[in-house]
Amino acid sequence: AQSVSQHNHHVILSEAASLELGCNYSYGGTVNLFWYVQYPGQHLQLLLKYFSGDPLVKGIKGFEAEFIKSKFSFNLRKPSVQWSDTAEYFCAVNGVSGGYNKLIFGAGTRLAVHP
Amino acid sequence: EAGVTQFPSHSVIEKGQTVTLRCDPISGHDNLYWYRRVMGKEIKFLLHFVKESKQDESGMPNNRFLAERTGGTYSTLKVQPAELEDSGVYFCASSRPLETQYFGPGTRLLVL
Repeated sequence: AQSVSQHNHHVILSEAASLELGCNYSYGGTVNLFWYVQYPGQHLQLLLKYFSGDPLVKGIKGFEAEFIKSKFSFNLRKPSVQWSDTAEYFCAVNGVSGGYNKLIFGAGTRLAVHP
Repeated sequence: EAGVTQFPSHSVIEKGQTVTLRCDPISGHDNLYWYRRVMGKEIKFLLHFVKESKQDESGMPNNRFLAERTGGTYSTLKVQPAELEDSGVYFCASSRPLETQYFGPGTRLLVL
């Protein structure tokens, strides 16, 4: 069965610290990969996505993620976090074959950044 | 471009009652999805419309849930009768074919 695993449920960092959130997926075919973010009181919004090409993907607000196919991973990184990055982060995957669009989400990681 | 909208933002009902959630997708998006997040768990897929047709309803929990998308525009998700375990946040998303899904703000449902 398809699944997504996010390794950390809660992360607490100080401003300027580096961030890496782990994401591994289980799927037997070609996938598209996503990181969504939900800031307090706001919608889920797309941070970045990988469909094909360069496995290092740049997103909004200085975030990036690297797709490592051999490890079935798509970890999210940011070199220096800010207080405004406090949010919940979701890794998601969908299968490409047959135009299948259903997103499978991880459980989410709550990030708290202290000034 | 207006985003995905959902109504109501919150709903508190008693077990056994009926609730209808509404989703208005982004104009021009034929694909519409419903997802649900039960507290503390992952966001789970419920179903997928392409225009007015149900493409995939494999995530619908049981026959107390009924989704419709008459005319291929807005969609409704009805829960009848509601049970305690139906509490959670119901998200709607829309997209063009094979493109990024854009999410609405969600409806927080609490069944007492």
